[in-house]
Amino acid sequence: EVQLVESGGGLVKSGGSLRLSCEVSGLPFNNAWMSWVRQAPGKGLEWVGRVKTESDGGTIDYAPSVRGRFIISRDESKNLMFLQMNSLKTEDTALYYCSILTSPVAFWGQGTRVTVSS
Amino acid sequence: SYELTQSPSVSVSPGQTARITCSGDELTKQYAYWYQQKPGQAPVMVIYKDSERPSGISERLSGSTSGTTATLTISGVQAEDEADYYCQSADSIGAVVFGGGTKVTVL
Repeated sequence: EVQLVESGGGLVKSGGSLRLSCEVSGLPFNNAWMSWVRQAPGKGLEWVGRVKTESDGGTIDYAPSVRGRFIISRDESKNLMFLQMNSLKTEDTALYYCSILTSPVAFWGQGTRVTVSS
Repeated sequence: SYELTQSPSVSVSPGQTARITCSGDELTKQYAYWYQQKPGQAPVMVIYKDSERPSGISERLSGSTSGTTATLTISGVQAEDEADYYCQSADSIGAVVFGGGTKVTVL
């Protein structure tokens, strides 16, 4: 069974930093393009960014709203993906999902909640 | 930045057909994917590559694309279909984009 488990969410003040983790099991992690997707309270899904596999160049792409503030990385030896969030804003408040957006099946974690207070 | 446009809501009576559209210029070159999300749950893919249906997804859900518009059709709507639906595609450099979501209400 494929499992994606996020951790690291919490309450942080505006301007602060937070680091999220996503642990993957049940599939070959080194074959998976990993994404972060967030959902603000009562709002829609917003893609945050993605890290490709090392064999595909390890390219990292970001949404314009987080570029320059957020950093995505992965640790192949531990089946982990990370999201380092810096210069946090109140509008970054959301449930952050770790996901593998493949087809015909996409895999999602249950999310970790980030709240940024002013 | 590239956007996918969905109508915010659709209301439909049980047994009727619901159509949800998603518009975006890159849909002529990039596939559309559709997700269903129920309250408190992670999204579930219901259509991939414009019109393919994953195993286990009801045959009442179907997808199509024409020009710059992708459409998710729910035939014979049932109460269990009440959910938020999101289209997803990619921009010209392959970055992922989600539509704003459509809330389907079963009357």
